[in-house]
Amino acid sequence: QVQLQESGPGLVRPSGTLSLTCAVSGASIRSSNWWSWVRQSPGKGLEWIGEIVHSGSTNYNPSLQSRVTMSVDKSKNLFSLDLRSVTTADTAVYYCARYTMGSSWYFPDSWGQGTLVIVSS
Amino acid sequence: DIQLAQSPSSLSASVGDSVSISCRASQGISNYLNWFQQKPGKAPKLLIYATSTLQSGVPSRFSGSGSGIDFTLTISSLQPEDFATYYCQQTYSVPQTFGGGTKVDIK
Repeated sequence: QVQLQESGPGLVRPSGTLSLTCAVSGASIRSSNWWSWVRQSPGKGLEWIGEIVHSGSTNYNPSLQSRVTMSVDKSKNLFSLDLRSVTTADTAVYYCARYTMGSSWYFPDSWGQGTLVIVSS
Repeated sequence: DIQLAQSPSSLSASVGDSVSISCRASQGISNYLNWFQQKPGKAPKLLIYATSTLQSGVPSRFSGSGSGIDFTLTISSLQPEDFATYYCQQTYSVPQTFGGGTKVDIK
């Protein structure tokens, strides 16, 4: 059974960089799955941040693309998110997720529990 | 970006009721439409993928239908554990987007 676990600082200063990792167990980061970050601002809906595959290929949300970098560490079976120049608007619960792809489907079937990141001075 | 308009934004229902939630896309998304259930403080849980395929372990009272731009999640015979917020998601194009959510609470 695949499990994902987010980790990282719960508090980030404005203009700083938000850095999170997602440790994957029960599955290999080298598989054909894509690995994604999704966030949810307090009391709000869900926002897709971007995705990465083991080769390092990425897709980012254009609304965040100038500030986002994702990477994969195959030796540690984890993937990471860096979000630069954060503001209070980046305060949210950040989830990592595994996506499964088929001939006519693409869906996140496993999620981490989420980690709250607050941007505040 | 493809916008997903979910309706209603909230509804009240009783145990045993059948409810339907609509998700309308701003352009065609083939069948790349997924549905999630989310409870407070928890991650979204996948219910249905590819419009109508039930995720393993999800009760059969959940069903999905639709095509093109109009999609529906139906919960037949609501159970106490079904009171939650439901989201649709399109994975047809980047950026992936989610509907605004439908909160189902107890009447």
